[in-house]
Order: sequence, then structure tokens, then C-alpha cells
Amino acid sequence: DIQMTQSPSSLSASVGDRVTITCRASQSISIYLNWYHQKPGKAPKLLIYATSSLQSGVPSRFSASGSGTDFTLSISSLQPEDFATYYCQQSYGAPRTFGQGTKLEI
Amino acid sequence: EVQLVESGGGLVPPGGSLRLSCAASGFTLTGFEMNWVRQPPGKGLEWLSYISSSSTTIYYADSVKGRFTISRDNAKNLVYLQMNSLRAEDTAIYYCAREGVRGGDPFDYWGQGTLVTVSS
Repeated sequence: DIQMTQSPSSLSASVGDRVTITCRASQSISIYLNWYHQKPGKAPKLLIYATSSLQSGVPSRFSASGSGTDFTLSISSLQPEDFATYYCQQSYGAPRTFGQGTKLEI
Repeated sequence: EVQLVESGGGLVPPGGSLRLSCAASGFTLTGFEMNWVRQPPGKGLEWLSYISSSSTTIYYADSVKGRFTISRDNAKNLVYLQMNSLRAEDTAIYYCAREGVRGGDPFDYWGQGTLVTVSS
């Protein structure tokens, strides 16, 4: 199975800050890396797919890049609604493994 | 509007069984592959099972292989997860998630989840 490792596990930031979360795959996954965020008590929501494509309706302050094994998600100018847990997921092979999550806190 | 609604969760004793359902609406289920993902309380996401649009390909996580069975009824717009020999560590919120049929598609829609608690 492809292992996904996110860092950091938690991150403290303030409204207006720029933050970056990284995700590393245990083998090359080409561009098949997706990002989700999840707010307490809610289902995960797709933010970015295929490394850098924004899902419809996702604000442009979210951006992502990478290829192969190393990927990043950046949020410029944090808004209050961005404080959540972020997960990466590879969709290169089965099983569709997730990273352990990064909790973004105020 | 695309919607996925899970049902069938509840309290079950260790060794018991439950069948979860995922009702799809707002899209044609036959055009999509489906997955089940779970999240134990306070923990991260764990992918559990995948079923292709025509049910010809099915995968399971090692943690549930041999105990859980995924199936679908495209005519009824339903996806199921039959869970047998349940253990305390199966306690979690269970989500169904839609996946496109193109290789590498993400899980673009998720249900709200249904809570399964395994306890005596």
C-alpha cells in the first residue's frame, strides 16, 4: 500500500497568515494527489484534485503543487472558516490511502 | 443537487452485524464508482472499500477484508456495506463517497456519515 505522510500534524496560525502543509507519498503517485478539509462534526470536503486543480467553489486563496512523491497545500490570507483539519489522499492506486491529517488551529 | 445519505448505523454488540446503506440522488449512480470511508472518534480517515460502477471490481482494506462486503443496486440508487463480526475497533462514523470513473478521480461528494458503535 502507498503510505501518505503529512506534516505538520498540527499548526497554529492567525487570520491573515499564509500557511503551507506538506504531504509525502511512499512511492511516486504522479499527479494523483487530492486535498480535503473537514470541520468538526462535518463530512470531509474536496478542495483540490490532481495536485493543483481547485474543486468548483473553492476560493482562490487555496493553491497546491507537487508531483511524484512531494506535494504542498498553501492557504494565503487565512480566513476564520479555514480553521479545520486537512487531509491529503492519493488516487494513484488501491487502496486510496489518506494522510493522517493536519489540524489547523487559531 | 448531488446528495449521498447514509443510514443503518447504531449500537451493536461485539460479534454482531449491521448493514449500512448509502442513498444517492441528484446524479446517475451507474456513472460513478463508490467508496466507504470511516473515521473513529477523534481520529483520521480510513478508506475501507471500493466498488466499480458495474460491481465488477471490488477492493477492501485489510482491516475489514473477510468481514465486510460492499455491494450496490444501481436501479435503486443504493450502495451497501454489510458488516459482520464487528469489533470495538470498528466504532466510527462511516461515510460513503463518490468517485469518478476516470482513473485517479478524487472523492468529490461525501455523505454526512452514520455512526456505528460496537459495544456490549
